[in-house]
Amino acid sequence: ETGVTQSPTHLIKTRGQQVTLRCSSQSGHNTVSWYQQALGQGPQFIFQYYREEENGRGNFPPRFSGLQFPNYSSELNVNALELDDSALYLCASSPRLADETQYFGPGTRLLVL
Amino acid sequence: AQSVTQPDIHITVSEGASLELRCNYSYGATPYLFWYVQSPGQGLQLLLKYFSGDTLVQGIKGFEAEFKRSQSSFNLRKPSVHWSDAAEYFCAVGSPIYNNNDMRFGAGTRLTVKP
Repeated sequence: ETGVTQSPTHLIKTRGQQVTLRCSSQSGHNTVSWYQQALGQGPQFIFQYYREEENGRGNFPPRFSGLQFPNYSSELNVNALELDDSALYLCASSPRLADETQYFGPGTRLLVL
Repeated sequence: AQSVTQPDIHITVSEGASLELRCNYSYGATPYLFWYVQSPGQGLQLLLKYFSGDTLVQGIKGFEAEFKRSQSSFNLRKPSVHWSDAAEYFCAVGSPIYNNNDMRFGAGTRLTVKP
């Protein structure tokens, strides 16, 4: 069983640009959640996708959006990047919506200049 | 909404000493509780979890945690710390009602292990 992978590992963007981060869930995991972890902080829940539909969202503006694909991959898109968007972005997958355990990827480190 | 407080930002212990990391949560019912560990530049690894039943939970790497409803706490313990345990530790609370689609993490406790 492969783990959760994320790409790219690091990324540098400038303010106002758009970015797409990718996550490949473990095979068979139909639930994926995305988190933002600012430096020195715990992860903050952005949103969750279940069977390609958004299933819950944290306190993040609409410029944070996502997609989930049938092949267990997903994307996090952020438009109009701001300096405060600099963070580690983590995705986590679960085999079922009702499964309490999430498996985290290593994250993508985004720096906005 | 649920929330988590980790009162200790940084803890230093000597190798071989015992460890206790504190976690307090706020939630209206019995929550799902988790402890994760994060090494520098890495993602989160699940150490243990509590959903129901026995309030003393055993995890990986020799860690255990005890759920105390009366104190709204879920403290993590290890009887003898190893140098490789140096990392950031996060307590998290999830909601059984909302299928964990709003997991809340504490701010973390950074553990330093002295030789």
